[in-house]
Amino acid sequence: QQPVQSPQAVILREGEDAVINCSSSKALYSVHWYRQKHGEAPVFLMILLKGGEQKGHEKISASFNEKKQQSSLYLTASQLSYSGTYFCGTPDNQAGTALIFGKGTTLSVSS
Amino acid sequence: ETGVTQTPRHLVMGMTNKKSLKCEQHLGHNAMYWYKQSAKKPLELMFVYSLEERVENNSVPSRFSPECPNSSHLFLHLHTLQPEDSALYLCASSQEQGPSLYGYTFGSGTRLTVV
Repeated sequence: QQPVQSPQAVILREGEDAVINCSSSKALYSVHWYRQKHGEAPVFLMILLKGGEQKGHEKISASFNEKKQQSSLYLTASQLSYSGTYFCGTPDNQAGTALIFGKGTTLSVSS
Repeated sequence: ETGVTQTPRHLVMGMTNKKSLKCEQHLGHNAMYWYKQSAKKPLELMFVYSLEERVENNSVPSRFSPECPNSSHLFLHLHTLQPEDSALYLCASSQEQGPSLYGYTFGSGTRLTVV
């Protein structure tokens, strides 16, 4: 079952912050975050593993709460280059054969 | 070339045609995947290959037929497609099968239009 992302879209001005959420109705073992710019391939940002750890990539960080079965992506002081669609991905089963992805959150940053 | 390369970038085919999509990775990865990306839909997992063996077929219609002749190449053979099969088809690879610590590397995709 695919993870659920919210919100569907975010519009920001440069320098503003945003939070994108990813939740699942089943137990999560890990969460991946990707960004896809228009017309380009999705690019891996980071992976969150069980343990509630936080990770960072530039001014983008994420948290993972396996008890709540959710992860959040934090974009701080957004830049124009942050625009794109953000996807979270979770293993399709306990064996972790492959990732299944949420529908994505479209982020638009303007100057 | 480095990364994951997909050809062709764009493909228009009739419903009675047979065509193939090609994916090539130069990363030394052991797992490769096909995903379908349609407008307003999530990335849909189609096939998973690990060490050249298919490990998952995600209820994909038989008009899509994958082939993995070696760990660097992945094909998706198409025949008698339907207009609803029009989408962006993305290939990805990872160091090992599943949620790799280093993530997936995606190709830029093939934009398929079925007329």
